[in-house]
Amino acid sequence: DVKVTQSSRYLVKRTGEKVFLECVQDMDHENMFWYRQDPGLGLRLIYFSYDVKMKEKGDIPEGYSVSREKKERFSLILESASTNQTSMYLCASSLAGALYEQYFGPGTRLTVT
Amino acid sequence: AQSVTQLGSHVSVSEGALVLLRCNYSSSVPPYLFWYVQYPNQGLQLLLKYTSAATLVKGINGFEAEFKKSETSFHLTKPSAHMSDAAEYFCAVSDPGQGGKLIFGQGTELSVKP
Repeated sequence: DVKVTQSSRYLVKRTGEKVFLECVQDMDHENMFWYRQDPGLGLRLIYFSYDVKMKEKGDIPEGYSVSREKKERFSLILESASTNQTSMYLCASSLAGALYEQYFGPGTRLTVT
Repeated sequence: AQSVTQLGSHVSVSEGALVLLRCNYSSSVPPYLFWYVQYPNQGLQLLLKYTSAATLVKGINGFEAEFKKSETSFHLTKPSAHMSDAAEYFCAVSDPGQGGKLIFGQGTELSVKP
């Protein structure tokens, strides 16, 4: 069965902390994505990666960075967390190509206080 | 630039009634289109997708969607709502030239009344 896992379901961090969100997929997918989900705004793409060590900015990359050292793992990093980064973060993966669906992890609800 | 519009952020139906969730897209090229469902505190799950093979696409849980190029629409329907259909639904478009990136609509929350 297809599986995308995220390191935490719930996370509470303080303003200014460095935050790591980890995502692992077991499907040998080339593409991996990080989204944030906020009420009324749908899903917005933060970063995506189409290969190991490759990354591209999405629509809202400010305040975030990513790392993909291995094909199965894609990390999202908040260098200095701020309250406006309180959100649900969703990781997804897919085969390369536009006609392939993305598979999503369960999400991490991050609260920055 | 591509975009997706879902008409209605909240839709409420009675159990057994028709479900209709609207999605319109804009794209400069024939797109691939997807509907996802999100149950509370879960990630998104694929309901169905259109990849140009057939304009009427059947998905899981009795849902289907019809691609209408002339109307740039991809509305999601289900003949008879069930309580378990209560969830948030997202329409998404993928540009064949963008290698797998999806543009999502704002989402529609479906409520089902007994």
